[in-house]
Amino acid sequence: RKEVEQDPGPFNVPEGATVAFNCTYSNSASQSFFWYRQDCRKEPKLLMSVYSSGNEDGRFTAQLNRASQYISLLIRDSKLSDSATYLCVVNRGTGNQFYFGTGTSLTVIP
Amino acid sequence: EPEVTQTPSHQVTQMGQEVILRCVPISNHLYFYWYRQILGQKVEFLVSFYNNEISEKSEIFDDQFSVERPDGSNFTLKIRSTKLEDSAMYFCASKAFRAIQETQYFGPGTRLLVL
Repeated sequence: RKEVEQDPGPFNVPEGATVAFNCTYSNSASQSFFWYRQDCRKEPKLLMSVYSSGNEDGRFTAQLNRASQYISLLIRDSKLSDSATYLCVVNRGTGNQFYFGTGTSLTVIP
Repeated sequence: EPEVTQTPSHQVTQMGQEVILRCVPISNHLYFYWYRQILGQKVEFLVSFYNNEISEKSEIFDDQFSVERPDGSNFTLKIRSTKLEDSAMYFCASKAFRAIQETQYFGPGTRLLVL
């Protein structure tokens, strides 16, 4: 079973739409959780950390359900600049290394 | 804003040759990582490094790979005898603190092509 699983998409949505991405992780020892975004051929960049209580940063809302080992990201009022691949990331291990999902591709259409 | 830098941005090499990929982590960071991303695939952990030694390494990080922090700033990944399947984007990352919630900051990557 994969460490982190995401729906690869692609998601093609019009500007202004709300879109949700889901992610599941297999190892209950996973300790912290993040959403990164990756533009084509670029490095991953932190979008937001994900906390157990859920957290919001502007148009972005992240949720974590430890019991179900499930993470979500909601993007409201999509902008053209939101077009990217969204990476679900979990963190565990003695070296605190990251385990990445394959990413979900989002294209926001004018 | 401080950032992780990597050189070179692109490297083309012949199979069997040695390559060294270089990274300069953010200056006050203590934890260093190498990841790779084969084209069209997910980002994969290679190795973590702290206090001048490897903390953990993945199955990918075999005897052909080594890491070093030769001075106070550089962090290098060496591939001794490159194979075709080593062609990938290699990302260096660094982190300030041990706290598990602390995020990692990624460099722009080195695109390695083995011919």
